[in-house]
Order: sequence, then C-alpha cells, then structure tokens
Amino acid sequence: QKEVEQNSGPLSVPEGAIASLNCTYSDRGSQSFFWYRQYSGKSPELIMSIYSNGDKEDGRFTAQLNKASQYVSLLIRDSQPSDSATYLCAVTRLDNNDMRFGAGTRLTVKP
Amino acid sequence: NAGVTQTPKFRILKIGQSMTLQCTQDMNHNYMYWYRQDPGMGLKLIYYSVGAGITDKGEVPNGYNVSRSTTEDFPLRLELAAPSQTSVYFCASSWTGGEPQHFGDGTRLSIL
Repeated sequence: QKEVEQNSGPLSVPEGAIASLNCTYSDRGSQSFFWYRQYSGKSPELIMSIYSNGDKEDGRFTAQLNKASQYVSLLIRDSQPSDSATYLCAVTRLDNNDMRFGAGTRLTVKP
Repeated sequence: NAGVTQTPKFRILKIGQSMTLQCTQDMNHNYMYWYRQDPGMGLKLIYYSVGAGITDKGEVPNGYNVSRSTTEDFPLRLELAAPSQTSVYFCASSWTGGEPQHFGDGTRLSIL
C-alpha cells in the first residue's frame, strides 16, 4: 500500500464546473496536509494547507480533511482552463521531516 | 525576493561523471530538502537538513551526498552518475518539518 494515494487521472471537467480531487494516506499519525499545483515542466507551488478536521476555504479552493477516514480532498469551484495542471497531495507528521507526496492527479479543464 | 534558487537548470552527463547541483535560499529557513521526480511520479525525498551542519537520509539516498555548511546553501553531489539518476531534481526549504515547503525551479538532469 502506497503511503499517499491519488487517482492519477486524467480528470477532465468543463469550464465553470467543480473539480474534486481526492487523496488517502496510510500514516494515522499524520498532522500536516498540503495541496500543491504543478504545471507541466514547472515546480510545485503550494495551494492549500490544512491541519485540523473539517473544511478550509481560500477563494475558489476548499480543502477537506477527515483524519478518522484518512483522506483529504481539494475542491476547485468555477474551474478555469488555467487550473489545468497536476495536483500533488503531501502529508507529514510534525515530528517527522519526511514529507510524503502522492503521484498527483492530472486535471484538465476544457473551455 | 529570490526564494529558492537552483543551478544549473539543465545538464547532460555521461555515465560515471560527477557533478554538484547547487541550491540556495534567502528566506533564512532552517530546513532544506532535495527531491527527485521521475516522469508521472510524485516527489521522492533524497536528503534533508534541519540546520547548518546537520543532514539526514530520505527515502532514496543511494548514489547521492549532501553537505550543509551554511543556512543558505544545500548542494547535492552525484559521484558516479548512472542512467537511473536521470530525473528532475527539486530543492525545497521550510521553517520547520511540518510547514509548507517552498520549491526551486528544478534541475533537469540526463545521464547518457
């Protein structure tokens, strides 16, 4: 079992729709959770961080965390073609310096 | 504000050659990391450092070495390049281990 699992996609949504990206993790001691966006040929950039159960909203992005079920998700509302990228889920413990990344989900937003 | 700077951006090596990938950050972060990313894969941690003079192995350290003599610099050394080390290498930094990491632009390395 991979430590951080994501559907590789590609996930295709029409412009204006909601894109839903999911991530599960195996380490129950995980405490910090991040979503990074990576455009093709570029470096990862942080979109959202979440540390406690529930929802966290930032503009069109909402991160959801459920530690009991060991999953974290990212919702993108009013998806734009510029949101087309690979989204990486990352998980770590506060007492551990080894952040584990999922393989990423490739999202395509069609005009 | 430069953030995390990596050099070179691209490099082609022959099997058996050695090289150093440079990484510098100007955010005064204590923690620095080296990752490799193979096509269609996530990031794999090679080495990390929690401060000057302190380094430790990550998930895939074989074939690499690092040093951390200053807070700003964290070079990655390949001693005997092998085709399996063809990858994109990212350097990152953060305040602590549980905080978001800031990434450099990457070094695309091909070993032929």
